[in-house]
Amino acid sequence: AQSVTQLDSQVPVFEEAPVELRCNYSSSVSVYLFWYVQYPNQGLQLLLKYLSGSTLVKGINGFEAEFNKSQTSFHLRKPSVHISDTAEYFCAVRQETSGSRLTFGEGTQLTVNP
Amino acid sequence: GAGVSQSPSNKVTEKGKDVELRCDPISGHTALYWYRQSLGQGLEFLIYFQGNSAPDKSGLPSDRFSAERTGGSVSTLTIQRTQQEDSAVYLCASSPDRGLSGNTIYFGEGSWLTVV
Repeated sequence: AQSVTQLDSQVPVFEEAPVELRCNYSSSVSVYLFWYVQYPNQGLQLLLKYLSGSTLVKGINGFEAEFNKSQTSFHLRKPSVHISDTAEYFCAVRQETSGSRLTFGEGTQLTVNP
Repeated sequence: GAGVSQSPSNKVTEKGKDVELRCDPISGHTALYWYRQSLGQGLEFLIYFQGNSAPDKSGLPSDRFSAERTGGSVSTLTIQRTQQEDSAVYLCASSPDRGLSGNTIYFGEGSWLTVV
């Protein structure tokens, strides 16, 4: 079985500041990793995913994440945030086997203040 | 439509009543998932359908919860004798799920259930 830990439940930042949302996972087999974003009163939208290859993955809205196998981490970063980035961010993991479920972390609420 | 469609978007029900939540996945997607999101909580896996295989029901919290998927497309999540702790957003998602599990899972907007 796999699990995901998002180390910060709330992250407040000022507009144009950099941000890092932390995610660690555990699994006995190789995994695929995902970040989803949920804007207020909306469903989840995929930000980016890591399947294989380059460990630095770029996603939508200027976000990127780096897969670190030795530290079992997949932290999400953005160099300069906007007010519109205020949302809940979820890290998720799936094992590299057919039919495995997607397991989510508890989520991190990012609040960007003016 | 192009995305995952869920209905109703909002449902208020009295404690003890049964409710049905519907999900229309993206056309051609063989995998369908139900998750539950309670206020301030993460996403809790409920059930997973993949093609003609037996569904993974390991996340259903009690025998009051059941789900079916007819014709490999539309799915219905049924909650019998609802309790106040069932109040949550119920999210449906679908995925092509051909081969390994790197395919993106696409989510609907959710069905907001309030049990009073």
